[in-house]
Amino acid sequence: GQQLNQSPQSMFIQEGEDVSMNCTSSSIFNTWLWYKQEPGEGPVLLIALYKAGELTSNGRLTAQFGITRKDSFLNISASIPSDVGIYFCAGHDGPNFGNEKLTFGTGTRLTIIP
Amino acid sequence: DAGVTQSPTHLIKTRGQQVTLRCSPKSGHDTVSWYQQALGQGPQFIFQYYEEEERQRGNFPDRFSGHQFPNYSSELNVNALLLGDSALYLCASRNAPGHPNTEAFFGQGTRLTVV
Repeated sequence: GQQLNQSPQSMFIQEGEDVSMNCTSSSIFNTWLWYKQEPGEGPVLLIALYKAGELTSNGRLTAQFGITRKDSFLNISASIPSDVGIYFCAGHDGPNFGNEKLTFGTGTRLTIIP
Repeated sequence: DAGVTQSPTHLIKTRGQQVTLRCSPKSGHDTVSWYQQALGQGPQFIFQYYEEEERQRGNFPDRFSGHQFPNYSSELNVNALLLGDSALYLCASRNAPGHPNTEAFFGQGTRLTVV
């Protein structure tokens, strides 16, 4: 099935560094969502973006909905050990009855080097 | 406020068998979707249920079927299991289709291993 292109695939950073990752699609989405997944757990919603150009923050996390509606990025400032995990972007065509699926990216694995 | 709950958490089945996975949505949600996540991949949409009917389906064979009950809980059934069906199966719930808040919340998943 279709998956969005996420980059980088993995990141190795030191605690305190800033992180930036992005997600691109060949098709337009009306909503972009960013999730974090830890081993053995389901994805946890971090940020939801509903409008092209929108910039939204959640604590140390900032995400933007690209103007073209085909991309989004996520920044994490001053990383801490609990930021470790896999970050997924997801695009959504809704709200649109009958077309509700989320299309996920390939994931960015974040590792913090001691 | 209970989030999305799934059972069982782990399951081992033999090739050719059938399996049923269960999901209770987050309080206040009436729409349930199922996703399959293979190792090292992002989740892939299987189907979505609303008002006890399958509303949308991803690219999965008919061996994958589901059901939604009047209390909004849902089951995912997979028949004639193949080794390739081994994956983490995730349930997500959200508000009704057309609701402006389209945020989906996921359960912890059921890890299915087919041997």
